Amino acid sequence: NAGVTQTPKFRVLKTGQSMTLLCAQDMNHEYMYWYRQDPGMGLRLIHYSVGEGTTAKGEVPDGYNVSRLKKQNFLLGLESAAPSQTSVYFCASSPPQNSYRLYEQYFGPGTRLTVT
Amino acid sequence: AQTVTQSQPEMSVQEAETVTLSCTYDTSESDYYLFWYKQPPSRQMILVIRQEAYKQQNATENRFSVNFQKAAKSFSLKISDSQLGDAAMYFCAYRSARGGATNKLIFGTGTLLAVQP
Repeated sequence: NAGVTQTPKFRVLKTGQSMTLLCAQDMNHEYMYWYRQDPGMGLRLIHYSVGEGTTAKGEVPDGYNVSRLKKQNFLLGLESAAPSQTSVYFCASSPPQNSYRLYEQYFGPGTRLTVT
Repeated sequence: AQTVTQSQPEMSVQEAETVTLSCTYDTSESDYYLFWYKQPPSRQMILVIRQEAYKQQNATENRFSVNFQKAAKSFSLKISDSQLGDAAMYFCAYRSARGGATNKLIFGTGTLLAVQP
């Protein structure tokens, strides 16, 4: 199993450009998440999905869109990149909440995005 | 809303010594989970240890243990016999256990641990 993979690992964008970050998981997890990590701020949730075809906003959703057309993939889009979106982006996945078992989140390796 | 606070931006420990990283949290919920994640320079997030709030016994994983004080809303991580490979950023995280919750994690701002040889 590859676990959670992210594409690309690094990217530099100019202000106003668009791009899509791809997250893929091969563990058949229902839930998937996108976080961003900024110095001194920890990881903050951007958007998440509790199943194929569903998405929801997290703590810092502005400027991002997401899609979950297939269970194994969760895409994060930046329509018009801004320097404030310079960050490291992490994708994670987990099975659904279960009162009988504590499931952890599995993280991808991260994507470092720089917007100039 | 729940919050997680790590008041130590940086810590340092000598190899083979013991270090304790602090974490406090705020919640009105009674059932939740707490985690410590390690992030080495490779950026990969690695789960170190977890604690269910309903369990009074503190979790331990080899050289890692926690001091969970539910009434004080405190969740500190103790690393014994520190090794050079323990050098990393450590994040404390909270997750609700209530029905309908979506496993979202709320992270603290992290503590950067340096291990001196």
